[in-house]
Amino acid sequence: DIQMTQSPSTLSASVGDRVTITCRASQSISSWLAWYQQKPGKAPKLLIYKASSLESGVPSRFSGSGSGTEFTLTISSLQPDDFATYYCQQYNSYSPEFGPGTKVDIK
Amino acid sequence: QVQLVQSGAEVKKPGASVKVSCKASGYTFTSYGISWVRQAPGQGLEWMGWISAYNGNTNYAQKLQGRVTMTTDTSTSTAYMELRSLRSDDTAVYYCARDNELMTSSLDYWGQGTLVTVSS
Repeated sequence: DIQMTQSPSTLSASVGDRVTITCRASQSISSWLAWYQQKPGKAPKLLIYKASSLESGVPSRFSGSGSGTEFTLTISSLQPDDFATYYCQQYNSYSPEFGPGTKVDIK
Repeated sequence: QVQLVQSGAEVKKPGASVKVSCKASGYTFTSYGISWVRQAPGQGLEWMGWISAYNGNTNYAQKLQGRVTMTTDTSTSTAYMELRSLRSDDTAVYYCARDNELMTSSLDYWGQGTLVTVSS
């Protein structure tokens, strides 16, 4: 099975900060990676698919990059609505796997 | 608009079974698949499996093989997830999400979640 890791596990930031979250796969997954945002008590929301494609309706301050085994999610200017937990997910194999999550909280 | 509406919360005893439903609307049900994802209290997301509403093919997470069954009813655009031999560590919020009809992919629409509590 392909294992996913994320760093950091928690990130403290201020409104307006540029934020970068890293996701690594234990083997190459090409560009078959998605990013989700989840707020407490809510279902996850798709932000990015195929590593760098922005889902319709998602603000352009979110961007994704990477391929192979290393990927990043960047929020160019953190907004109050962005404080949440972010998960990556690989869907390259028959056993999709989520990363453990990165919680972005207020500094 | 695309909507996935799940059935209500359940409380089950260890060893029992639970069946969660997910009713889809706003899109052609048979042109997509459904994945099920669960989240234990305070924990991350765990992919459970996928079913194609197009052809009924399934793909289950290895750790749940033999305990989980996913089905669809195309006449009502509803997907079902049944989990048997429940244990306390099956306590979680269970989500359905829209997926690709031929293979697992990114999940663009999600249900509201169904809390399943397993307790004696």
